[in-house]
Amino acid sequence: AQSVAQPEDQVNVAEGNPLTVKCTYSVSGNPYLFWYVQYPNRGLQFLLKYITGDNLVKGSYGFEAEFNKSQTSFHLKKPSALVSDSALYFCAVSVMEYGNKLVFGAGTILRVKS
Amino acid sequence: GAGVSQSPSNKVTEKGKDVELRCDPISGHTALYWYRQSLGQGLEFLIYFQGNSAPDKSGLPSDRFSAERTGGSVSTLTIQRTQQEDSAVYLCASSSTGTTGNTIYFGEGSWLTVV
Repeated sequence: AQSVAQPEDQVNVAEGNPLTVKCTYSVSGNPYLFWYVQYPNRGLQFLLKYITGDNLVKGSYGFEAEFNKSQTSFHLKKPSALVSDSALYFCAVSVMEYGNKLVFGAGTILRVKS
Repeated sequence: GAGVSQSPSNKVTEKGKDVELRCDPISGHTALYWYRQSLGQGLEFLIYFQGNSAPDKSGLPSDRFSAERTGGSVSTLTIQRTQQEDSAVYLCASSSTGTTGNTIYFGEGSWLTVV
């Protein structure tokens, strides 16, 4: 079975500082990894994904994530946080044997303070 | 519209009543998914439609839940005899195909409250 862990319920960072939101996964095959963001009372917005190739993936709003196979991690990063980045972030994984169904982590609340 | 459209955006219903939630996927997308988001359970997969194939119903929590997709486009999720534990946000999503790794785009959700 596939699973995703987001070990931090909440991450606090000052505006202008770098941010990291952690994600680790457990799958039986090759993972396809995704990050989504959810603003209050809104649906999920796609940020970025890793399918294959370069381990560093760049996405929307200046976010990037690095796929690390040996550590089974896919941490989300941004060099300089904005107050507007404050939201709920979800990591998700799919594997080919289960089709294009996403399994989500529990989510991490990101709070950026000015 | 350009995105996944869901209706109603909010629904309050009495325990025991049936509800229908509608989803209009992105035009041309052959794959359609329903997820449920609740405080206690996080984001749960419910059901997945891909083209004309039989739907993957493996995530439906009970036989009170059903879904159909007519004409390969619009989908309706039906919850019969609603219970308070059905209160959640029901998210519909679509992707261009069902190929693993295809980006899945979500709608704004239908907020269901069972009183």
